[in-house]
Formats: sequence, C-alpha cells, structure tokens
Amino acid sequence: SQQGEEDPQALSIQEGENATMNCSYKTSINNLQWYRQNSGRGLVHLILIRSNEREKLSGRLRVTLDTSKKSSSLLITASRAADTASYFCATANTGTASKLTFGTGTRLQVTL
Amino acid sequence: DTAVSQTPKYLVTQMGNDKSIKCEQNLGHDTMYWYKQDSKKFLKIMFSYNNKELIINETVPNRFSPKSPDKAHLNLHINSLELGDSAVYFCASSPYRGVTDTQYFGPGTRLTVL
Repeated sequence: SQQGEEDPQALSIQEGENATMNCSYKTSINNLQWYRQNSGRGLVHLILIRSNEREKLSGRLRVTLDTSKKSSSLLITASRAADTASYFCATANTGTASKLTFGTGTRLQVTL
Repeated sequence: DTAVSQTPKYLVTQMGNDKSIKCEQNLGHDTMYWYKQDSKKFLKIMFSYNNKELIINETVPNRFSPKSPDKAHLNLHINSLELGDSAVYFCASSPYRGVTDTQYFGPGTRLTVL
C-alpha cells in the first residue's frame, strides 16, 4: 500500500510567499527524501533527512522530521514562479533496503 | 553529460504489441530502478538491479521483464501490451545497494497503448 500521504494535494500561492507541504508515513524509516517534478520531466532530488535528524536546511528549503508523529514538512521560503512543480516525499523504510516509497505529491503553483 | 537517459521519450503502440524501453546511466552507480507513474502521478517501484543482479521485484505482471546487460544499463521489455500499461515509466539510479540514498531519475518515457 502507498506509504506517504501528502497534504495539501494542491497549493497556490503568490511569488514571495512561503509554501509548506506536509508528508505523513506509516512505518519506521531510515531516511525521508523530498523530490521535485516539473511538468513532463523526471524527479529531481531536493533534500534528504535521516531518522536521527530533526531539521535540515538547504538554501530556501527547510525540512523537518518528527518520527514520533511519523511526519515531515517541507517549507519553501520566498517562493518563485520557477518553484511551480509537484513535490513528493519518499521514505526509505527500515528493512526494505534499496527501495523508496513515494507519497501522493503536492502540486504547487506560484503565481506572479 | 546526461546522467540518466531513457529512450524513447514517447511511445505510442497498439494493444498486444511488444515494446522495449532503454535506460543508461553514466554516473558509475551500482543500482538502477524502474518506476511506473500513473495518471494520478502516483509513483511506484517496479524493479531494481544492483550490478546486474535483480534485487527488487515488486508485484508486476510477468509481461514486464527487465534486463541489465551491464551495471550502466537497465532495459524494460513489455510483452502483450494492455491499455492499463499506459503510464510514464522512469528509470533511476543510486550509488549504493544498502540503505537508500539519493536517486537520480531519467526524463521518463510516456507510453500510450491504444
């Protein structure tokens, strides 16, 4: 069954605003990753956070992980039109080495 | 300098035909994957190979057969295509066999079965 559930399914904001996406999962993980997919393109890795980490920063991206709640959030600050894409969380689950299980994705639209 | 490449980008074919999708990575990675993304954008792993050895084989009809001639290539052959096979198929690679780290995705192959 599908591992990650993301919300919201779709998000529309104006340029300069912050965007927050959430991901929930069901089993123990080794790490959680966020990917971006532009329309008609492949997925691009954004950031990886390990199960013993609580926060990770990369440029305008901030990822948090709460293993007690089995949830993660991705914050994009000062969004740009170029951030328009679908964002997916993916978990590397304990005991299933070499396999990522993807969430349902959040479609982000950033308007000028 | 493409990292993970797939051919073809688009594939339109009739039901019942047999087709192949090719994938190559020049990153020197040991592990490669095939994923299927359906019309709702749900991405699901199908197969994974590590250095030509099959290590993940999800519940996929046996009409789908992956082949890895060397660790830089992973091809997907599909027999007797069905309407439900229409999807975007992504190849990916990663450096390690163990705990999964970053995966690098190809641009995808959009398969349409008529």
